[in-house]
Amino acid sequence: DIQMTQSPSSLSASVGDRVTITCRASQGISIWLAWYQQKPEKAPKSLIYGASTLESGVPSRFSGSGSGTDFTLTISSLQPEDFATYYCQQYDSYPLTFGGGTKVEIK
Amino acid sequence: EVQVSESGGGLVQAGGSLRLSCAASGFTFSSFAMSWVRQAPGMGLEWVSHISGSGAATFYADSVQGRFTISRDNSKNTVYLQMNSLRAEDTALYYCAKVRSQLYTYMDVWGQGTTVTVSS
Repeated sequence: DIQMTQSPSSLSASVGDRVTITCRASQGISIWLAWYQQKPEKAPKSLIYGASTLESGVPSRFSGSGSGTDFTLTISSLQPEDFATYYCQQYDSYPLTFGGGTKVEIK
Repeated sequence: EVQVSESGGGLVQAGGSLRLSCAASGFTFSSFAMSWVRQAPGMGLEWVSHISGSGAATFYADSVQGRFTISRDNSKNTVYLQMNSLRAEDTALYYCAKVRSQLYTYMDVWGQGTTVTVSS
């Protein structure tokens, strides 16, 4: 099974900050990676697929990069509505696996 | 509007069974794979199972293999998750999700979830 490791597990940031979350796969997954945002008591929402392609309607302050084993989700200027937990997920092979999540909190 | 909606959750004793349902609308159901993902209280996301659009291919997490069965009825636009031999560690919010495509097998539309509580 492919293990997905996210870091950090949590972070505190202010509105306007640039935020970077990393996700590492235990083996190469090419670009078969998605990022999700989950707000409290809500279902996850897909943000990015193919490591760097934004879903329709997702603000351009979100971006993804990487390939192989190392990936990054960047929020260029954190907005109040961005405080949430973010998950990466590989879809290179079954079983599909998620990272442990990164909780972005208000400083 | 593309939507999926889960039902069938509840309280069950350890060793018991439960069947979850997920009704889909707003897209050509038989053309898309579907997945179940769960989230234990206060924990992260765990993928559970996946079924292809035709129903011919199914995949399971090791943690549920042999106990859970995914199926679908394309005439009813519904996917099911039959859960047998339930354990306390199966307690979670279970999400149904539409898979983006055959190439991009991530989940692009999610339901609000149905809660399963297994008492020991």
